[in-house]
Amino acid sequence: QSVLTQPPSVSAAPGQKVTISCSGRVSNIGNNYVSWYQQLPGTAPKLLIYDNDKRSSGIPDRFSGTKSGTSATLGISGLQAGDEADYYCGTWDDSLTSFWVFGGGTKLTVL
Amino acid sequence: QVQLQESGPGLVKTSGTLSLTCAVSGGSIISTTWWSWIRQPPGKGLEWIGEVYQSGTTNYNPSLRGRVIISLDKSKNQFSLKVNSVTAADTAVYFCARLREIEVAGTFDTWGQGTLVTVSS
Repeated sequence: QSVLTQPPSVSAAPGQKVTISCSGRVSNIGNNYVSWYQQLPGTAPKLLIYDNDKRSSGIPDRFSGTKSGTSATLGISGLQAGDEADYYCGTWDDSLTSFWVFGGGTKLTVL
Repeated sequence: QVQLQESGPGLVKTSGTLSLTCAVSGGSIISTTWWSWIRQPPGKGLEWIGEVYQSGTTNYNPSLRGRVIISLDKSKNQFSLKVNSVTAADTAVYFCARLREIEVAGTFDTWGQGTLVTVSS
């Protein structure tokens, strides 16, 4: 079971907007910055968003990130077929035993 | 541009030791960054294993209960992972990754392609 909670799946039609939530605790999301990663089938994860809301180099502005309290959200607008992938949130957890944590991943299906 | 490449046996016997290496190219391993190992069991999510700094300082995921050692080889510009006493639960795709502070906080900005390690008797 992952430390951060994400919905297992989301779906939307091409051109639409979708949001993916990531829920945690004060010790992780509440106190630290969140990153988002995209994993296309059979490939390594790729950094999309860092520091809660900053797009990595080359990432289109269709991708956005926000954070509020102990939750974070990834938004993807103008959905394209190529966006179909697994998306993961990640952050540092500074509880008694500090370590990096990820969400369980969300499978995005473009209908 | 830094690139990472994992290498090592794809099959390890139960109760044995899993050993992988990550070669760093396009940059020096001696930099103000942490080098991490992350794994992904088939069909499941990501799990951070641990990290090593240029000084040799390491941090590990407490869930791996002392079975893991991560080390740095500056002369070869690479870092390594060893997992002892492996079981089928350690079967996963293993990724090496660079943790970098782009602006404020650390993030995994560069990943290797990953290598599948299967544990079987």
